[in-house]
Amino acid sequence: EVQLQESGPGLVKPSQSLSLTCSVTGYSITSNYWGWIRKFPGNKMEWMGYISYSGSTSYNPSLKSRISITRDTSKNQFFLQLNSVTTEDTATYYCARVDSYPLWGQGVMVTVSS
Amino acid sequence: DVVMTQTPPSLSVAIGQSVSISCKSSQSLVYSDGKTYLHWLLQSSGRSPKRLIYQVSNLDSGVPDRFSGTGSQKDFTLKISRVEAKDLGVYYCAQTTHFPPTFGGGTKLELK
Repeated sequence: EVQLQESGPGLVKPSQSLSLTCSVTGYSITSNYWGWIRKFPGNKMEWMGYISYSGSTSYNPSLKSRISITRDTSKNQFFLQLNSVTTEDTATYYCARVDSYPLWGQGVMVTVSS
Repeated sequence: DVVMTQTPPSLSVAIGQSVSISCKSSQSLVYSDGKTYLHWLLQSSGRSPKRLIYQVSNLDSGVPDRFSGTGSQKDFTLKISRVEAKDLGVYYCAQTTHFPPTFGGGTKLELK
């Protein structure tokens, strides 16, 4: 069974960086596209970006230069870093296989607050 | 960005009733390969999203045939026949044709 599991701090201070890990079991991240999606309070969902099977990345222009997605293929993990966070980055963050969304993690709620 | 407009934002339904959810995109979702990358997801309370249908009308494994997806170009519909309690939650349409991928605002299906 394929499983994705997010981990990381649930509270981040404004202006700091948000860092999350997605651990994937049962499927190699050297296949397909793996990324991050966030759901804001209410129902709005935002695609943040992905890292591909080859290691190339693509990011939502709305996040400009604040976002970075990297990976460790030896551990079958990929990572999200979002810099200079504000309270507007408060959301539940999901890792997922983002080529048509067949696989999702359970999500991690991140609050940005001082 | 492609704007995905879902209606209605919420639906109250009785068990056994049938419902439809509309999803309209601001641009055609037909990709250069001729395929349409419009998908439907369900997020049940306390759970992560789960894909039900991909590329307009293809049911994921294990999804009952009470669910059906139709549509083309910019206009899509999810129909649920004979709603069951486990169908409740928030439904999203999502497009991966255009960059960046975008989602509809969600339709909350709840019990009447």
